[in-house]
Amino acid sequence: KAGVTQTPRYLIKTRGQQVTLSCSPISGHRSVSWYQQTPGQGLQFLFEYFSETQRNKGNFPGRFSGRQFSNSRSEMNVSTLELGDSALYLCASSSSRAWGQETQYFGPGTRLLVL
Amino acid sequence: AQTVTQSQPEMSVQEAETVTLSCTYDTSENNYYLFWYKQPPSRQMILVIRQEAYKQQNATENRFSVNFQKAAKSFSLKISDSQLGDTAMYFCAHNSGGSNYKLTFGKGTLLTVNP
Repeated sequence: KAGVTQTPRYLIKTRGQQVTLSCSPISGHRSVSWYQQTPGQGLQFLFEYFSETQRNKGNFPGRFSGRQFSNSRSEMNVSTLELGDSALYLCASSSSRAWGQETQYFGPGTRLLVL
Repeated sequence: AQTVTQSQPEMSVQEAETVTLSCTYDTSENNYYLFWYKQPPSRQMILVIRQEAYKQQNATENRFSVNFQKAAKSFSLKISDSQLGDTAMYFCAHNSGGSNYKLTFGKGTLLTVNP
């Protein structure tokens, strides 16, 4: 099976702009989670989607949003970019069909630089 | 709130030797999962090993094994016969499943394997 894919891999934006990141999960996986990784804060959970529904959300401002499509692909959007949004954004998928299917598999990440 | 603590920011080991990375966690759940992920310089997050809390037997994956002490909420990773390719950041993570669909990560331990 192909792994989790994320596009684009690298992105440079300026303050105030918005950005959309995309994630395609492993085939058959219906749960997609997003994490932000920075040197200062480490890995922080953004949100998780399952069957197009957001089931859990981390402690991030409303500028961070996401959605999931019927084919389980997911996008996250950050509006009004700030310098502090520079980070590696990781997407992970899991089958999450039942207890015991909770292992999350990660994509290569999108590295966002805000200037 | 769930927390994961990795008390060793950096460690080093000689090639072919054994090293143990420490992790403690805090949770009020009885059923949960624990993971070790490896992040090499490529930044790809790779699953190393996972442990179900209801299983008393420690998980093993080739050269990687864990020492899971549920009462002490301790979950250490032992790497035997260390190889240069094991050089990476190692993250301990906790997932309680249920209605909490997210991984909580520790700050990581940077492991360097020296030739």
